[in-house]
Amino acid sequence: GENVEQHPSTLSVQEGDSAVIKCTYSDSASNYFPWYKQELGKRPQLIIDIRSNVGEKKDQRIAVTLNKTAKHFSLHITETQPEDSAVYFCAASSPADSWGKLQFGAGTQVVVTP
Amino acid sequence: NAGVTQTPKFRVLKTGQSMTLLCAQDMNHEYMYWYRQDPGMGLRLIHYSVGEGTTAKGEVPDGYNVSRLKKQNFLLGLESAAPSQTSVYFCASGGTVPSYEQYFGPGTRLTVT
Repeated sequence: GENVEQHPSTLSVQEGDSAVIKCTYSDSASNYFPWYKQELGKRPQLIIDIRSNVGEKKDQRIAVTLNKTAKHFSLHITETQPEDSAVYFCAASSPADSWGKLQFGAGTQVVVTP
Repeated sequence: NAGVTQTPKFRVLKTGQSMTLLCAQDMNHEYMYWYRQDPGMGLRLIHYSVGEGTTAKGEVPDGYNVSRLKKQNFLLGLESAAPSQTSVYFCASGGTVPSYEQYFGPGTRLTVT
């Protein structure tokens, strides 16, 4: 089955700097890669996703890039703000799995310091 | 439109006790999932369902059972709780076709002593 590895496990950045989180996946057939943000004590919420027919997707200060050849994808947050502090999870899903299951990475704790 | 809801929000059980967690969604989604979240281990899939009466095992199914008698509800049961089942449990639902987007409920924090 699919295996997703996520790095780093913790990331501390100064407000205004950029943050980058990287994930690798094992199943070359995977074609959907979402990113979830989870604030302390809250539910995970989808912030951005990308499908395998696209190399990059942006939404205001966040962007996701996908390298299918290398089987990795990354989340980029620019101009970080204190409200970006949260745990971020990447995930991957394969079309071979018609049940729409997601395989999640272990998460990255992002701390933005003023 | 409440989205995905879960009851209860918190529960403390003694070892050997049983309980049922309820997940309800009002988005007419076919797919529903139960995850557990433990520190440093991300979200791990326990069981999932593609429609009424259809369920399947996920990554960590041992010690849990599920039922999907109605499309909008997905129940997770613990027959004999163990301390290893102390965790935060999240339910999620997805679209009618496998669009992969999953919407999460608020979670249930379960402690087994």
